[in-house]
Amino acid sequence: DTAVSQTPKYLVTQMGNDKSIKCEQNLGHDTMYWYKQDSKKFLKIMFSYNNKELIINETVPNRFSPKSPDKAHLNLHINSLELGDSAVYFCASSQGSLSGYTFGSGTRLTVV
Amino acid sequence: SQQGEEDPQALSIQEGENATMNCSYKTSINNLQWYRQNSGRGLVHLILIRSNEREKHSGRLRVTLDTSKKSSSLLITASRAADTASYFCATDASNTGNQFYFGTGTSLTVIP
Repeated sequence: DTAVSQTPKYLVTQMGNDKSIKCEQNLGHDTMYWYKQDSKKFLKIMFSYNNKELIINETVPNRFSPKSPDKAHLNLHINSLELGDSAVYFCASSQGSLSGYTFGSGTRLTVV
Repeated sequence: SQQGEEDPQALSIQEGENATMNCSYKTSINNLQWYRQNSGRGLVHLILIRSNEREKHSGRLRVTLDTSKKSSSLLITASRAADTASYFCATDASNTGNQFYFGTGTSLTVIP
């Protein structure tokens, strides 16, 4: 059983389109995250949700909107995609401050 | 920012040798974690060290933490080709709501 699964794995789309990435975790963790990894492998936190409530919203364009229907799911919707949005997006989950994060395998988004 | 910085950016060694990677950070932390990322995959949690700990071991991994120098090191002993990956440190601080921020990573290549 995959602990943190995100779909799709690859996403190629044109500028201006709207797209969503889904994430689900079956670990019973309370906290979920979205990270963006750029071409230089720098990982930047975008959002953090604890038990369906937003607790961190870093400086991210409001074209990005996370949605957490329940604590096992955290989806990411992106409006009006731009070339600079091309990156690998990782979902992760954790339980408590002393546990490591469990990451999904990533979604490689390419905007053309 | 709280982001850590790993050093070196890239490291290439022969199988069987030891590999040492360093992480420096700017503000006081509660905990520090190390992660491994294989090419095209998500990050995998390796080890967490608390600010009141100086050293931790896990198999062939040894992590040290020097809070006076705001630095940590990850030592992989008797390296194997399968250790080829990028290694990231992640730090948190009390003023970040226990949110972990990742460094820029060290790319390790172990030559068989």
